[in-house]
Amino acid sequence: QKEVEQNSGPLSVPEGAIASLNCTYSDRGSQSFFWYRQYSGKSPELIMFIYSNGDKEDGRFTAQLNKASQYVSLLIRDSQPSDSATYLCAVLPTSSNTGKLIFGQGTTLQVKP
Amino acid sequence: EPEVTQTPSHQVTQMGQEVILRCVPISNHLYFYWYRQILGQKVEFLVSFYNNEISEKSEIFDDQFSVERPDGSNFTLKIRSTKLEDSAMYFCASSEAGGTGTGYGYTFGSGTRLTVV
Repeated sequence: QKEVEQNSGPLSVPEGAIASLNCTYSDRGSQSFFWYRQYSGKSPELIMFIYSNGDKEDGRFTAQLNKASQYVSLLIRDSQPSDSATYLCAVLPTSSNTGKLIFGQGTTLQVKP
Repeated sequence: EPEVTQTPSHQVTQMGQEVILRCVPISNHLYFYWYRQILGQKVEFLVSFYNNEISEKSEIFDDQFSVERPDGSNFTLKIRSTKLEDSAMYFCASSEAGGTGTGYGYTFGSGTRLTVV
């Protein structure tokens, strides 16, 4: 069973639209959840983290967490071509007391002008 | 803004050779990590390091891998006898706190692309 699952995409949205990226995880006791953006050939860049159920907003980005459904999502409002990248969901599992993160495969987002 | 620095950016090595990948974590950080990403695949945890010892390692991190903090600033990953399947991007990361303190996430370095031929 995969620990963190994401649809690999690509997810294609027009410029200005809302992009919705989804992630499910298998470890029910997971503590914290992260969204990283990764441009091709570059390192992951932290966008947001969330650890409480509900929504967390930061500018054009909103992270949503539902621990009962073991589901975390990222909404990007007013999508821009510069948002085109792979979005990685990462989870801090119950078993980790060292900060080890488990990453999903990533969803490729394409924002078309 | 403080950053994690990795050198070299690209390393080409022959199979069977030893390589050392270098990282300079953010200065006040205490927890250090190595991850790798094979082309087209997910980012995978290799090892975490705290207080001058390994605190956790994955199944990937076998006897051919080792880590060291030789001085107060550098953090290195050594691969003793490289294999073709070690070809990947290797990312270093650091954080102020580990465990639940990592809840704020951590910063990755720009990576070293290792190519084994």
